[in-house]
Amino acid sequence: QVQLVQSGAEVKKPGSSVKVSCKTSGGTFSSYTINWVRQAPGQGLEWLGGIIPMFGTPNYAQKFQGRVTIIADKSTSTAYMELSMLTSEDTAVYYCARSDPGQPYLDYWGQGTLVTVSS
Amino acid sequence: EIVLTQSPDFQSVTPKEKVTITCRASQSIGSSLHWYQQKPDQSPKLLIKYASQSISGVPSRFSGSGSGTDFTLTINSLEAEDAAAYYCHQSSSLPPTFGGGTKVEIK
Repeated sequence: QVQLVQSGAEVKKPGSSVKVSCKTSGGTFSSYTINWVRQAPGQGLEWLGGIIPMFGTPNYAQKFQGRVTIIADKSTSTAYMELSMLTSEDTAVYYCARSDPGQPYLDYWGQGTLVTVSS
Repeated sequence: EIVLTQSPDFQSVTPKEKVTITCRASQSIGSSLHWYQQKPDQSPKLLIKYASQSISGVPSRFSGSGSGTDFTLTINSLEAEDAAAYYCHQSSSLPPTFGGGTKVEIK
């Protein structure tokens, strides 16, 4: 059974960074894509980027280029998303979600991590 | 980037009614369109893949159709547990994008 378990809620100051983890179990970590999607309060879904651990090279949404870093640790089957230069507009629930190779729909999701940016 | 426009934004429906949600893409995406259900305080859940393909464990009252730029999610005989937000998602080109969502309320 595939499971994605994310780290806990964070409260950050404007201008700082946050790093969210996503530990996976079940399936073959290296071969599927881990995507990061966020949802601001009362809003829709927005893709930040993704990574295939086997290859290690992430793709980022242009909107977040230069501010987001996604890495994957194959030894612990854990993916990380770090977002820097936080503003109040980054307050959101951040989800990791898995997609299989060549099957780009998101079939398993983490439980979400609330990141609150407040002075 | 491909823009997905969902309609309506909100729908209030009586149990056993039929619900139709549409998703229009700003350019042709073939069948690379997927649907998710998100209940309050939960993560999204995959409902339909590739416009019309069913997902194991999803009730058969959920179905999808369409190709190119126009897609539809249909819920036949709505049940109380279907109160949720529904999102479309395109995987035709990077970046993946989502529709703005449709909230379905039970009357």
